[in-house]
Amino acid sequence: DAGVIQSPRHEVTEMGQEVTLRCKPISGHNSLFWYRQTMMRGLELLIYFNNNVPIDDSGMPEDRFSAKMPNASFSTLKIQPSEPRDSAVYFCASSTRQLLGSYNEQFFGPGTRLTVL
Amino acid sequence: AQSVSQHNHHVILSEAASLELGCNYSYGGTVNLFWYVQYPGQHLQLLLKYFSGDPLVKGIKGFEAEFIKSKFSFNLRKPSVQWSDTAEYFCAVKAAGNKLTFGGGTRVLVKP
Repeated sequence: DAGVIQSPRHEVTEMGQEVTLRCKPISGHNSLFWYRQTMMRGLELLIYFNNNVPIDDSGMPEDRFSAKMPNASFSTLKIQPSEPRDSAVYFCASSTRQLLGSYNEQFFGPGTRLTVL
Repeated sequence: AQSVSQHNHHVILSEAASLELGCNYSYGGTVNLFWYVQYPGQHLQLLLKYFSGDPLVKGIKGFEAEFIKSKFSFNLRKPSVQWSDTAEYFCAVKAAGNKLTFGGGTRVLVKP
């Protein structure tokens, strides 16, 4: 298995531009998580999906951020418009959800390093 | 809401020294506990996990962790570190609601 795939690996953009980050979870995993990692705030959960449905988006910082999961094998995190303070590494992770509702461990992708100038 | 505290932000030690990283969480119910490692420039990888059973958990690369329920702790240990253990280590807790809450991380530097 290729693991969680994220693209691009690096993104440099100017303030005000739209940024789209992409994630392909591990095949067969039915839960997907988006995290942001910064020096100041550490690792923060932004949003997670079960079976393509957003369950908790309370970590999404503001309306400029949106996430979608149109199918089981693809998710996007979009920032529009981007700001310098959005600069961070964005990780996608996936896991399986057990029948009784609990989750197995999360497998992380390589991350996208976003720099907004 | 649960929270996770990692007491040491930075640890510097020499090869062959023993390592112990503290992790405490605040949640009174059933928890699942994890330690992840992030090597320089890489993504997070699972070191070990505790779901139930024996509170002493063995992980990869010689790491182990002990769950002490009465102390709300899940400390990570390795008897003899190597230079390749230089990384950032994250404790994480999953409680009700299925959200994984991470500690702030501990950066470990092993001097050769």
